[in-house]
Amino acid sequence: QKEVEQNSGPLSVPEGAIASLNCTYSDRGSQSFFWYRQYSGKSPELIMFIYSNGDKEDGRFTAQLNKASQYVSLLIRDSQPSDSATYLCAVKFGTVSGANNLFFGTGTRLTVIP
Amino acid sequence: NAGVTQTPKFRILKIGQSMTLQCTQDMNHNYMYWYRQDPGMGLKLIYYSVGAGITDKGEVPNGYNVSRSTTEDFPLRLELAAPSQTSVYFCASGQTRDRVNQPQHFGDGTRLSIL
Repeated sequence: QKEVEQNSGPLSVPEGAIASLNCTYSDRGSQSFFWYRQYSGKSPELIMFIYSNGDKEDGRFTAQLNKASQYVSLLIRDSQPSDSATYLCAVKFGTVSGANNLFFGTGTRLTVIP
Repeated sequence: NAGVTQTPKFRILKIGQSMTLQCTQDMNHNYMYWYRQDPGMGLKLIYYSVGAGITDKGEVPNGYNVSRSTTEDFPLRLELAAPSQTSVYFCASGQTRDRVNQPQHFGDGTRLSIL
């Protein structure tokens, strides 16, 4: 069974703080990992992806990957109320080029308090 | 710049009815996907396509059919609607980037209720 686990939250942080979102996955052979943001009632949008151990930064977002611990996280620096959304972690089980092997977690709901 | 367009946005069906959810993209993406999202859950892949004329099953294909006659269009067909198919349906498209392909652009979704 391919599993992607996220804490459903809600996670509340004050404006300007760092929000830390976590995700674990079941398949040690997984190679690529994705974070999507989904506003309430809207469609998901891809924020970033990572497939090498370590950190990958894009603006206020940093993805962190630790394959040995089967753990991927998303840090949001200087959190803004507009960051309030559900964040979906997705994991590719198997080849990076596969089109049918992306599995989503249930999402973590983030609330940034002004 | 339309991106991925889904129609209809909302629909109520009676048990046993059939319908087609339309999806079209104008970005010339080879990869297209259909997902469903049940309340409080992640997305589950129904069907996908890697190019015109090529489709294959995803994680939850039962009760659905697809076709891909053109690069732009990827309709999803429900033949005999059942209450378990009440969900939000998202169509997505994407292309390979850094050797990885994944859904990059999503439509606004179709909210479907089966009563």
